[in-house]
Amino acid sequence: GQQVMQIPQYQHVQEGEDFTTYCNSSTTLSNIQWYKQRPGGHPVFLIQLVKSGEVKKQKRLTFQFGEAKKNSSLHITATQTTDVGTYFCAGHGSSNTGKLIFGQGTTLQVKP
Amino acid sequence: GAVVSQHPSRVICKSGTSVKIECRSLDFQATTMFWYRQFPKQSLMLMATSNEGSKATYEQGVEKDKFLINHASLTLSTLTVTSAHPEDSSFYICSARERGARQPQHFGDGTRLSIL
Repeated sequence: GQQVMQIPQYQHVQEGEDFTTYCNSSTTLSNIQWYKQRPGGHPVFLIQLVKSGEVKKQKRLTFQFGEAKKNSSLHITATQTTDVGTYFCAGHGSSNTGKLIFGQGTTLQVKP
Repeated sequence: GAVVSQHPSRVICKSGTSVKIECRSLDFQATTMFWYRQFPKQSLMLMATSNEGSKATYEQGVEKDKFLINHASLTLSTLTVTSAHPEDSSFYICSARERGARQPQHFGDGTRLSIL
């Protein structure tokens, strides 16, 4: 079945350093969504990318969707302690079931 | 906007008890709701998709008689874990989505279920 792989699983950075998480799908995605889950919390929707090669920015966060629509990345510039949490990518397949296939998530720890 | 309320947030009960979890979309109509299970430090595992007014669609390996889902209105879906056992202990999260298969999902706060 369709799989979405996400790396790395864990990342520890010093505050102020950059951070990137990568997402790869076994099949072409119609779109990709990113969510953030704080420790003890629930996933919160961050952004959705739809177009091939699309790049979107939210302050220090930059999201990219690959040209082949099979991979995506989230880059955080100059991390802050408030960035701590697990970042999930999730994709919709080509079928119209509406189900999201979640990656395993990347847990970010930021040392002050 | 797009607030989803999930209740209760925590349940501790004896083995054999049935537990009902409610998921409500407070400020939008959710034509589709999803129920996930999340183990510690792991990703979300989709259990079932719930469409208003119709039977839920369960993922492979999820027992529909064990996890009863009802989506009676556009703002409420319920998950009942019947005759719960310790192996059912987990974090259950619902999400709700407005009309449109590609709309983002909005998650409830989750329910931590502990079966003794």
